[in-house]
Parts: sequence; C-alpha cells; structure tokens
Amino acid sequence: QVQLVQSGAEVKKPGASVKVSCKASGYTFNSYFIHWVRQAPGQGLEWMGIINPSAGSTVYAQKFLGRVIMTRDTSTSTVYMEVNSLSSEDTAVYYCARPGTAVAATSQFSYWGQGTLVTVSS
Amino acid sequence: QSVLTQPPSASGTPGQRVTISCSGSRSNIGSNTVNWYQQLPGTAPKLLIYNNWQRPSGVPDRFSGSKSGTSASLAISGLQSEDEADYYCAAWDDSLNGHVAFGGGTKVTVL
Repeated sequence: QVQLVQSGAEVKKPGASVKVSCKASGYTFNSYFIHWVRQAPGQGLEWMGIINPSAGSTVYAQKFLGRVIMTRDTSTSTVYMEVNSLSSEDTAVYYCARPGTAVAATSQFSYWGQGTLVTVSS
Repeated sequence: QSVLTQPPSASGTPGQRVTISCSGSRSNIGSNTVNWYQQLPGTAPKLLIYNNWQRPSGVPDRFSGSKSGTSASLAISGLQSEDEADYYCAAWDDSLNGHVAFGGGTKVTVL
C-alpha cells in the first residue's frame, strides 16, 4: 500500500533552516509528483510547491520563492523540503502529499504523510 | 486570505443535511476540478470528494459534491456525530505559473 512517512518534529530558532523528509513506498517513486502543504496552528491548508521525482524539477508557490528548496533522492525514494530564514510565522505542520493520478496540475491528494511539526521559537 | 472562499462554520443536528459552499474564479474552479478534504483534529486531511463529485472507496454516500461555473458545494446528508470536522475545498489554479488553491476551511459542528 502507498505510504508517505515523514521525519520527526523539529524546533528551530528564528533565522535557521529546517529540512523535512518524506519517504515514499508502495508505488513507483518516479511516476507521481509530490506536493508540500503546510498548516499553521488553528489555520487552514497552504500549498507550498511540487516536485517531479523523476526529473527533480520543481514549482514553488510565489510566497515561498527563494526561501524553499525541494529535492529528491531516487535511491531511497525520499523527497526533501528545506525552508530557510525561518520566522515564527513558519511554525506549522508540514505535510507531503501524493496525487491519485500521475499529473502535476491537480489538487487531488489521495495520500498524505503524517505531518511534521516545525516550531520556530527563540 | 484564501483564494477559494468557504463559510467558516456550519452546523446541524444529527440526521440533518448540511451544505458547504466554495467560491472561486475562472482560473481555478472555472477551469479545473474541485476536490474536498475532511480533517479530524490532529490528523492529516483525508480526500473526501474528487473530480467535483466522485467518492473514493470507503467514503459514505452521505457525502456528495457538485460544481457549477466558478462555485462548488459539498453536502452531508444524514449528519452524524463523527462528521464533526474541518472541511476544505481545493482546485488547481492556472494563474501564477500554476498552483493549488485551498479554501479557508469550514468547521462543521454537530449539535
């Protein structure tokens, strides 16, 4: 069965960086895009961007351009998302999500990671 | 400020029908399919409705979706206590090099 397993919770100081991993299993890693979505405490869902695991190409939400980097390691079927220059406003649960179809331009996320809480505090 | 507009809350008694609206624009709902998610406290969102009205395996037929023009709606018939959750609509948006637009979420309370 399809599984997305994320790395554990992180506590970071303002200005630092954080790198969250998402290990995929149960399907052909290169065949499906991976999206990242975050949710601040008590707030709604916010799309951050998408990575093509096959080519490594990415598209980021305008809000995160220059501050977020998504990468992948095909040898371990893992995608990574790094957020730089953290502030308290980045405190959130970060999710990786995989669409149910092998297309990039979709909001149909059939599979989700368990979420990774990133807390930014001095 | 979310790109898609949802009411912040909705409520009903057990057995009632509750409807949640989701309003967008030509670049998102007007051009692409709408998906709905249910999120229980402390858990990841779960796909509830995809491609405007289709239900994934295991989702009760009490849940139904529809779309018309630049708006969509989710209906819960025969409301049950376990339906108390946050609900989000989502659609791909063709503007700004393409991105996913989410609604702000609707908290459904079972009275």
